[in-house]
Amino acid sequence: GDSVTQMEGPVTLSEEAFLTINCTYTATGYPSLFWYVQYPGEGLQLLLKATKADDKGSNKGFEATYRKETTSFHLEKGSVQVSDSAVYFCAADGFQKLVFGTGTRLLVSP
Amino acid sequence: EAEVAQSPRYKITEKSQAVAFWCDPISGHATLYWYRQILGQGPELLVQFQDESVVDDSQLPKDRFSAERLKGVDSTLKIQPAELGDSAMYLCASTPEGGDTGELFFGEGSRLTVL
Repeated sequence: GDSVTQMEGPVTLSEEAFLTINCTYTATGYPSLFWYVQYPGEGLQLLLKATKADDKGSNKGFEATYRKETTSFHLEKGSVQVSDSAVYFCAADGFQKLVFGTGTRLLVSP
Repeated sequence: EAEVAQSPRYKITEKSQAVAFWCDPISGHATLYWYRQILGQGPELLVQFQDESVVDDSQLPKDRFSAERLKGVDSTLKIQPAELGDSAMYLCASTPEGGDTGELFFGEGSRLTVL
């Protein structure tokens, strides 16, 4: 079945550092891809998405590009803030079911 | 802003007891999902409803778990009897009619601790 693999955390960065969180997927066909974020004490919320190869999703300074050739959807941000501290989940939409990765915790210090 | 409501936020119970969680999706959202998120893992789908009908319950442990959405609006997830391994966050999510199946609106979750 479909699966999503994320880099393990926690990822610890200083404010204004560059962020990359790796995500790769295994799926039959070409699923839509998503990044969800879970801030402390809150529910998951959609951060960005891409629906086809070479699409770039972006929101709140975060970006991710759908790379069919490497089956990847890495999350990037040029300059992180303390408020970006959260758990980030990569997900793939295969056969009408959303499959999540295990999540990567990001800790940003001042 | 409309939200998915869940209750209770926290539940502590002893093993072999019954426990129930309630979810009220965003008004007008036809599709409702229950996910289980074990600490350190990603959410896993337990059951999906389209209106009052079950679309997918292939991962629901039916010997102890049940879910219903009788009027196609709010939903209840029940566990009886609870086991130690059921300790997790139970998440409810919904999507509107015709919406992208990947764009889910989540509630804050119900955290279950089984002692």
